[in-house]
Amino acid sequence: EPEVTQTPSHQVTQMGQEVILRCVPISNHLYFYWYRQILGQKVEFLVSFYNNEISEKSEIFDDQFSVERPDGSNFTLKIRSTKLEDSAMYFCASTPWTHSGNTIYFGEGSWLTVV
Amino acid sequence: DAKTTQPPSMDCAEGRAANLPCNHSTISGNEYVYWYRQIHSQGPQYIIHGLKNNETNEMASLIITEDRKSSTLILPHATLRDTAVYYCIVRANYGGSQGNLIFGKGTKLSVKP
Repeated sequence: EPEVTQTPSHQVTQMGQEVILRCVPISNHLYFYWYRQILGQKVEFLVSFYNNEISEKSEIFDDQFSVERPDGSNFTLKIRSTKLEDSAMYFCASTPWTHSGNTIYFGEGSWLTVV
Repeated sequence: DAKTTQPPSMDCAEGRAANLPCNHSTISGNEYVYWYRQIHSQGPQYIIHGLKNNETNEMASLIITEDRKSSTLILPHATLRDTAVYYCIVRANYGGSQGNLIFGKGTKLSVKP
């Protein structure tokens, strides 16, 4: 069964460093998302992406964050200068289209620890 | 904010049916009800979704009331591996919030031997 894959599964980085989290969405999907979950808290929407541009972003997704689809398969989340509060699990997700009848599938997540 | 209300926790005996309720009294006519679950800190796993009619798949059944203001997820024979947080989500229609999923706190289901 096709699945969303994410790398790395866990990354430890120093405060102030740049981090890139990578995702390979399901191959025929067109719409992509990043969510995050701080330990013990809710899953929060960060950004959605379609046709090589951001469709929607939350208040969390400030100038420190960026997303990119550098080639036909990868979808990346970059955090420019990490802060301690960026420590969280980051989930990538994809769906064929944005109609609310189309299921959104999630990857297993990348756990980011900022020290 | 999430448009649904769920009990924070529920217990279920192994082998019995688990019935997880969800209230979504402000749901719009073209919004779907989605159920996901999250085991430990794994990625949210899709379970089932529906618009008006009851739905069933290999994992669960979804019963939606006629007025669509509430629904129930049924796991017919719960196992220990079904212990997870279950999220009921009303998904905004395209043109609104781009179909994003807005997660609440969900129901922590504990399946006990």
